[in-house]
Amino acid sequence: GAVVSQHPSWVICKSGTSVKIECRSLDFQATTMFWYRQFPKQSLMLMATSNEGSKATYEQGVEKDKFLINHASLTLSTLTVTSAHPEDSSFYICSAARRTSGQFFGPGTRLTVL
Amino acid sequence: GIQVEQSPPDLILQEGANSTLRCNFSDSVNNLQWFHQNPWGQLINLFYIPSGTKQNGRLSATTVATERYSLLYISSSQTTDSGVYFCAVSLQSYNTDKLIFGTGTRLQVFP
Repeated sequence: GAVVSQHPSWVICKSGTSVKIECRSLDFQATTMFWYRQFPKQSLMLMATSNEGSKATYEQGVEKDKFLINHASLTLSTLTVTSAHPEDSSFYICSAARRTSGQFFGPGTRLTVL
Repeated sequence: GIQVEQSPPDLILQEGANSTLRCNFSDSVNNLQWFHQNPWGQLINLFYIPSGTKQNGRLSATTVATERYSLLYISSSQTTDSGVYFCAVSLQSYNTDKLIFGTGTRLQVFP
């Protein structure tokens, strides 16, 4: 149990376009999901906490208008990178929290902005 | 803010060797998890261990919350153990489940 999927697994887009990444908890309900960003050979950096039915909570330094998060149901959260630029290229990973078991992570989405 | 430091940063082993990875944290935590990130980037849950000792096959972990550290033991290492190992903590003061990740230990196991 505790499987989290993420789609797409990789995406290449032109500068200025928007990209949507989906994160789903497949076999449990998650009132809280999280979005992380990871640069090569670095650790994971928390971007935001996504709460079902309410606004996301963003970490300091993360532009909420740039990274739009929607948590429409107990099994789905989406991250939209708006007007993407090359500096937004990164590995984006979501996770879903399960009480007394911690967080479970999706396989990640590799975004390349040309 | 909280600091989560892991040591060693890099570790090279021959297959069959044992190793101990350490995670130090600077504040009281209500959750601590160990993960293995494989070469494709997938984070695999190893242990949810805010305190005490757990074992799963060749891996075991111990968290001493009062002394603010956790240890991950890998015995009889295999080439498939290669990758980056992260510990991550959730602070009692946050009142949320959000995790702060450590700096990671990069492990390479050679045949």
